[in-house]
Amino acid sequence: DAGITQSPRHKVTETGTPVTLRCHQTENHRYMYWYRQDPGHGLRLIHYSYGVKDTDKGEVSDGYSVSRSKTEDFLLTLESATSSQTSVYFCATFGQVGEAFFGQGTRLTVV
Amino acid sequence: QQQVKQSPQSLIVQKGGISIINCAYENTAFDYFPWYQQFPGKGPALLIAIRPDVSEKKEGRFTISFNKSAKQFSLHIMDSQPGDSATYFCAASRRMDSSYKLIFGSGTRLLVRP
Repeated sequence: DAGITQSPRHKVTETGTPVTLRCHQTENHRYMYWYRQDPGHGLRLIHYSYGVKDTDKGEVSDGYSVSRSKTEDFLLTLESATSSQTSVYFCATFGQVGEAFFGQGTRLTVV
Repeated sequence: QQQVKQSPQSLIVQKGGISIINCAYENTAFDYFPWYQQFPGKGPALLIAIRPDVSEKKEGRFTISFNKSAKQFSLHIMDSQPGDSATYFCAASRRMDSSYKLIFGSGTRLLVRP
């Protein structure tokens, strides 16, 4: 898993509550990404970071925010969770030739 | 222009057979085409990748065939084994100014029967 740790691995939360997912990497990779995976949709990009405090939106960024205060940590926050955000979330970093390495994922259920 | 279309959605193959998964892309700016393998409860793992300057790349039982003019590429798994049962994603990638754009296909669930 190229030294990528996601926490928590599973979470159940109620609609309207804030949720923060954490991604920690030990590879000193510059680029870190958050994807969500849903049946029939593959992996879709939520937000990404190209350096400390440098972030940008992906294709499904509505309802999500991110922060990166250190090279090794990238946080994904759902400000007010909705049922449509029930999904499996993956963090990824990118190596020297553009290859992506993924974490184990966080399964989030919003009830 | 950013889509990657993958087929079939699911595939059942007998042990020892050949598994073939196809993908098509639209944007000719993509310059890196990886395949990822994902087992249940795990993150996707890079399996094999190709750049458009070659038409084929082989690693063990896994081969990517690439047709630049048709904007298509495929994964062939020779001598398929039950342990190959997983979901496979093709992807297309290119380097941007401050990021990598990596677009995934929708995935193919492969089942290899003993």
